[in-house]
Amino acid sequence: QKEVEQNSGPLSVPEGAIASLNCTYSDRVSQSFFWYRQYSGKSPELIMSIYSNGDKEDGRFTAQLNKASQYVSLLIRDSQPSDSATYLCAVSRQKVTFGTGTKLQVIP
Amino acid sequence: NAGVMQNPRHLVRRRGQEARLRCSPMKGHSHVYWYRQLPEEGLKFMVYLQKENIIDESGMPKERFSAEFPKEGPSILRIQQVVRGDSAAYFCASSTDRSVNSPLHFGNGTRLTVT
Repeated sequence: QKEVEQNSGPLSVPEGAIASLNCTYSDRVSQSFFWYRQYSGKSPELIMSIYSNGDKEDGRFTAQLNKASQYVSLLIRDSQPSDSATYLCAVSRQKVTFGTGTKLQVIP
Repeated sequence: NAGVMQNPRHLVRRRGQEARLRCSPMKGHSHVYWYRQLPEEGLKFMVYLQKENIIDESGMPKERFSAEFPKEGPSILRIQQVVRGDSAAYFCASSTDRSVNSPLHFGNGTRLTVT
């Protein structure tokens, strides 16, 4: 079982729609959770961090965490073509472990 | 801009040569991580260092790879006797401390090509 699992996609959504990205993790004692965005050929950049169960909103982005289900998600409202990228879920206990990423395509 | 600085951006080496990748963390950050990324794949953890101390090297190949973060100067990832399979993007990231809540900030990466 992979430590952090994501659907590789691509996930295609029309412009203006909500994109929903999901991630599951195997280590129950993981403490911190992050979403990074990576454009092709570029380095990952931090979008959101979440540490406790529930929702955390920042602009068009909402991160959701459910530790009992070992599940974390990222919602992107009003998706724009510029949101097209690979989204990496990261989980931290003693080191930060990344999923393989979900490729998002926003269709104009 | 006091972000994470990696150099060189691109590095070409022939099989059997040595590759040295350098990383200077963000100002105020004392923890450095190295990750490797193959095309169309995720980030694979390699090593986690603090100044003069390797905290976790569980992702480092047993041979040919080494990393250091000296008291003065940048962190160095060293690959000896490179092979074609070492061709990848190597990313360095830094954080403020050991807290699991500290997010990582990434450099622009070094693209290593082994010919």
